[in-house]
Amino acid sequence: GEDVEQSLFLSVREGDSSVINCTYTDSSSTYLYWYKQEPGAGLQLLTYIFSNMDMKQDQRLTVLLNKKDKHLSLRIADTQTGDSAIYFCAEIYAGNMLTFGGGTRLMVKP
Amino acid sequence: GAVVSQHPSRVICKSGTSVKIECRSLDFQATTMFWYRQFPKQSLMLMATSNEGSKATYEQGVEKDKFLINHASLTLSTLTVTSAHPEDSSFYICSARSVLAGVGNEQFFGPGTRLTVL
Repeated sequence: GEDVEQSLFLSVREGDSSVINCTYTDSSSTYLYWYKQEPGAGLQLLTYIFSNMDMKQDQRLTVLLNKKDKHLSLRIADTQTGDSAIYFCAEIYAGNMLTFGGGTRLMVKP
Repeated sequence: GAVVSQHPSRVICKSGTSVKIECRSLDFQATTMFWYRQFPKQSLMLMATSNEGSKATYEQGVEKDKFLINHASLTLSTLTVTSAHPEDSSFYICSARSVLAGVGNEQFFGPGTRLTVL
């Protein structure tokens, strides 16, 4: 079945770059997503990438996709304390079903 | 952007009672709504998928008689946790996919409902 994995925790200093990694197994995924979840809240879609792209940049966010290795990463430049949250990667399967990774808790130290 | 609301945001109930959670798409019509469950410090688990006017499709291991889903209109889906027990305590999140789902097949998520069963 579909499996999406992420590291559990990442700690960075304010102003540094954060890189959150994700691996997935379904080679037929068409879209891959990054969601942000703040404490006690729902999910906010940060960005997504189509599977035929290698990179997508959106302001401070850069998504890199290595389709051969089924590896997805999210880079946050100039990380701020407000970026502290849990970040989930997700892939689409069966047309419209999302499989989520376990989430990476990002802690930004002042 | 598209907004999805959930009501209530928090609910505490006694064991054995039923709780209804509403999920509404506020500014768009949703052909499909999804219900997820999230345990503390864990990822989201898809419980069921509902399409307007038809029966929900439940994921393996999810009891359909326990978690009743009604998708009565293109803007409203409800999840009823029947005869709730403490193990049903969790964070329930819904998402909605637009009729006019654009690039990315986006699902828009509600803010979640925290259910505590005493």
